[in-house]
Amino acid sequence: AQSVTQLDSQVPVFEEAPVELRCNYSSSVSVYLFWYVQYPNQGLQLLLKYLSGSTLVKGINGFEAEFNKSQTSFHLRKPSVHISDTAEYFCAVSDVSGNTGKLIFGQGTTLQVKP
Amino acid sequence: AAGVIQSPRHLIKEKRETATLKCYPIPRHDTVYWYQQGPGQDPQFLISFYEKMQSDKGSIPDRFSAQQFSDYHSELNMSSLELGDSALYFCASSRTGSREQFFGPGTRLTVL
Repeated sequence: AQSVTQLDSQVPVFEEAPVELRCNYSSSVSVYLFWYVQYPNQGLQLLLKYLSGSTLVKGINGFEAEFNKSQTSFHLRKPSVHISDTAEYFCAVSDVSGNTGKLIFGQGTTLQVKP
Repeated sequence: AAGVIQSPRHLIKEKRETATLKCYPIPRHDTVYWYQQGPGQDPQFLISFYEKMQSDKGSIPDRFSAQQFSDYHSELNMSSLELGDSALYFCASSRTGSREQFFGPGTRLTVL
């Protein structure tokens, strides 16, 4: 079984500052890793994913994440945030060998960008 | 580009009533997933279908059932609704060989 822990429930940050949202996972098997963003009253949008290859993954809206297998982490970063980045961010994993690809989500981190 | 369509977007029901949520995947996507997101919580996997067969089952109550039809759309049927069923229900779709799931806008179910 897999589990995902997002270490911060809320992250307040000023506009144009850098931000890091932390994600750790636990799994006895290899996993794929994802970050999704959810704006108020909307669905989930994929920011980026790690399936294989380079451990540094670039996504949409200037976000990037680094897969660290030894630390079982997949932290999300952005060098300069905008007000429009205010949203809920979810880290998720799925079993590489699983047949279905179901996602296991973390508890979410609320990013609050202040002017 | 076509996205996942869910209907209705909002649904209000009384306790003990039934509800049917519909999901229309992106064209040529053969796998459908259902997730439940309670207020302030992360999405929880309910059930998935691949090529019209159930492929995996999560924490879905026995009061709920689902199926995928020949045109790949899926329906989640919920009976004997309880207050605790109030949540946002997401459908996601993917195509064979891809681990990327595309989510619909969700159906917000309120049980009074």
